[in-house]
Amino acid sequence: AQSVAQPEDQVNVAEGNPLTVKCTYSVSGNPYLFWYVQYPNRGLQFLLKYITGDNLVKGSYGFEAEFNKSQTSFHLKKPSALVSDSALYFCAVSQAGTALIFGKGTTLSVSS
Amino acid sequence: NAGVTQTPKFQVLKTGQSMTLQCAQDMNHEYMSWYRQDPGMGLRLIHYSVGAGITDQGEVPNGYNVSRSTTEDFPLRLLSAAPSQTSVYFCASSYDRMAGNTEAFFGQGTRLTVV
Repeated sequence: AQSVAQPEDQVNVAEGNPLTVKCTYSVSGNPYLFWYVQYPNRGLQFLLKYITGDNLVKGSYGFEAEFNKSQTSFHLKKPSALVSDSALYFCAVSQAGTALIFGKGTTLSVSS
Repeated sequence: NAGVTQTPKFQVLKTGQSMTLQCAQDMNHEYMSWYRQDPGMGLRLIHYSVGAGITDQGEVPNGYNVSRSTTEDFPLRLLSAAPSQTSVYFCASSYDRMAGNTEAFFGQGTRLTVV
């Protein structure tokens, strides 16, 4: 069975500092990996994905993530955080023919 | 292009009532899914479909029913509402085989309260 773990319920960073939101996954074959962001009272918005190819993927709003197969991780990163990045972030995994399975989410709080 | 449309946005039900949450997409996506979001629990998969006429259970299917008679629509039925079904429900669609897109697009959610 597929599963996703986001070990931190909340991440706090100061504006201008780099940020990392952690994600590890468990699947039996090749994973499709995703990051989504949710702002208050809104649906989920797609940030980036890894399907195959380059382990470093770049996405919306300056975010990037690195796929590490040996560590089964897909951490979300941004070199310089903005206050407007404050939101709930979800990591998700799927395989061909299956639906997305989500982690429990990490609240990112960026202080000015 | 409307994307994924969910109705209603808000609903209050009494225990034991039934209702259908509607979901429609206009992106010709093959996959559609229903999730519920509860505090501290993330999004949990209720049911999903990989094409018209094909549905399967997710992590928390009990008390819910789905059907997929067309590519566009994927309604979620609550058979006999219980307070434990108070939640925010999201519909998602994904996978345009022709375009090769794999990311899911989400509706704006339905906030359901069962009293």
